[in-house]
Amino acid sequence: QQQVKQSPQSLIVQKGGISIINCAYENTAFDYFPWYQQFPGKGPALLIAIRPDVSEKKEGRFTISFNKSAKQFSLHIMDSQPGDSATYFCAAVGIIQGAQKLVFGQGTRLTINP
Amino acid sequence: ETGVTQSPTHLIKTRGQQVTLRCSSQSGHNTVSWYQQALGQGPQFIFQYYREEENGRGNFPPRFSGLQFPNYSSELNVNALELDDSALYLCASSIPRTGGAAETQYFGPGTRLLVL
Repeated sequence: QQQVKQSPQSLIVQKGGISIINCAYENTAFDYFPWYQQFPGKGPALLIAIRPDVSEKKEGRFTISFNKSAKQFSLHIMDSQPGDSATYFCAAVGIIQGAQKLVFGQGTRLTINP
Repeated sequence: ETGVTQSPTHLIKTRGQQVTLRCSSQSGHNTVSWYQQALGQGPQFIFQYYREEENGRGNFPPRFSGLQFPNYSSELNVNALELDDSALYLCASSIPRTGGAAETQYFGPGTRLLVL
């Protein structure tokens, strides 16, 4: 119930294309959904986040779509660039067993071909 | 404003030894969480500290322990190291929720631990 399922595991997109990564959760205690970007040898960096009271949030080329009834959310990267090549993690935050917890998805390795 | 810092960056230990990893939280953040990230996997929650007390724990054995100091910095201690403890250990700092607003966690660069 604390899992966050992420797909695909890896993704290859041509430069200028749209990258789409999907996540699903089960526990309705989650009420904040951040996406993190991680480059090799670095810690995850917050990219964009959404609360379940909105269905979409856009920041530059990055958009989160959120479907509360389906308990699914996705990241869209428009006009994908080689510099976007990294591993992306969705996450869910909530009070679980009395404490704040952040649960990560399994990650998607994104490669943008020039 | 400084970000989250961790030390050391890399560490090599042998099985059975003990290790201490350190984390300085981002300025103004009083909550610190620790994560273990195995190669090719997502980070797994170890525990969280708030006001110097453990405030939530993941599925890790008691040989994983921690401390938080009055300046909000933190240590992760691992006793009786096993080969499977080899991973990137991440520290994240945050401000606890107020008024129902969700927290955002900011991660440090991590400590790469290799157990031989």
